[in-house]
Amino acid sequence: SQQGEEDPQALSIQEGENATMNCSYKTSINNLQWYRQNSGRGLVHLILIRSNEREKHSGRLRVTLDTSKKSSSLLITASRAADTASYFCATAPWNSGGSNYKLTFGKGTLLTVNP
Amino acid sequence: EAQVTQNPRYLITVTGKKLTVTCSQNMNHEYMSWYRQDPGLGLRQIYYSMNVEVTDKGDVPEGYKVSRKEKRNFPLILESPSPNQTSLYFCASSAGGIPYEQYFGPGTRLTVT
Repeated sequence: SQQGEEDPQALSIQEGENATMNCSYKTSINNLQWYRQNSGRGLVHLILIRSNEREKHSGRLRVTLDTSKKSSSLLITASRAADTASYFCATAPWNSGGSNYKLTFGKGTLLTVNP
Repeated sequence: EAQVTQNPRYLITVTGKKLTVTCSQNMNHEYMSWYRQDPGLGLRQIYYSMNVEVTDKGDVPEGYKVSRKEKRNFPLILESPSPNQTSLYFCASSAGGIPYEQYFGPGTRLTVT
């Protein structure tokens, strides 16, 4: 099963509004990453948050991480039509034997920003 | 320009005909990985490599092979492709042995008839 699961599956908002996407995961992590994908193209890395961090900012992006709830959220403020894309979270797990080198993606949230 | 390249970008082939999708990166990255993307399933990791000659299975390795003889190259081999391997394939790389920020290639759309 997927390690990361995004919620909602689809989100439609108006330009200027904020968009919030959530990601839940199941096992302990080394880090959690968010990516954006424009239709059928390669993914673009947005932000990485480590397991010992709680919040990170990058421009209009804000990511939070709650390891006790095994969840993360991505907030895009003042959205633009150009933000229309699919957004994925990805987790690099940490196991009891040391670090794990897999990277597991969720199924994504499709964000549509209407002009 | 820092980039990950994949070839071919599009491929239509028949069941059982061996094929190789090449992946190359020019950033001297240790970590490289292959993913497949299917509608409704997101991205699933096929194989990854932490460095030269070090590879391991991802979540969906069946039917695929990889090799890492040089740091920059990480080809994906389908020895006997089947229709269920029809998919969009992405190669990615990152610095360090643990998966950090991944740089993705443009994708290879494979159709197996």
